[in-house]
Amino acid sequence: QSALTQPASVSGSPGQSITISCTGTSSDVGGYNYVSWYQQHPGKAPKLMIYDVSNRPSGVSNRFSGSKSGNTASLTISGLQAEDEADYYCSSYTSSSTMVFGGGTKLTVL
Amino acid sequence: EVQLVQSGAEVKKPGESLKISCKGSGYSFTSYWIGWVRQMPGKGLEWMGIIYPGDSDTRYSPSFEGQVTISADKSISTAYLQWSSLKASDTAMYYCARHPVRWNYADYWGQGTLVTVSS
Repeated sequence: QSALTQPASVSGSPGQSITISCTGTSSDVGGYNYVSWYQQHPGKAPKLMIYDVSNRPSGVSNRFSGSKSGNTASLTISGLQAEDEADYYCSSYTSSSTMVFGGGTKLTVL
Repeated sequence: EVQLVQSGAEVKKPGESLKISCKGSGYSFTSYWIGWVRQMPGKGLEWMGIIYPGDSDTRYSPSFEGQVTISADKSISTAYLQWSSLKASDTAMYYCARHPVRWNYADYWGQGTLVTVSS
């Protein structure tokens, strides 16, 4: 299966909002409400930020939100902070009973 | 506290075999899936496969089927990822991660095991 499609990079200034898109197909993103998002700082393990499209795990800031329309899911970060600078990956369950990640997006806080 | 602790970094030669581990604690090990994720140097995350330690039900990504073997020993709350013949292209960081029953996300991750394959 092919990786989900994410923009390679996005950037924003502190306090602004940014949105990262994640495009798949009807066999993954569009077919299930099982999209999750992960944050990864350099040299660290990924951290779950959003699960089941729009749910936040306990302890994750409410500045992070998720949504989905058709075959495209989105992660929005509002009130950007310097600590948000990291790589972000989306993931989805697939009709082949596997999971697939997006290619990753590097977020730069200007 | 839920923890996944992985075995240490490995340096191997092409053709050698290897088995790395992931020990779970702080939760019922047999009630969650454990997945494995590869991250090659400077690259993104790749889902390799997953195992349910309760009954050893195992699924693989088509990209990794036949290339690695995932197993688990529930008596010691440990999952494994193994290779029978390593290649230089297996050089990567490998993460284990806990998934709930529907394995719709990975909520806890191990610290990663760096595998370097070089002659």
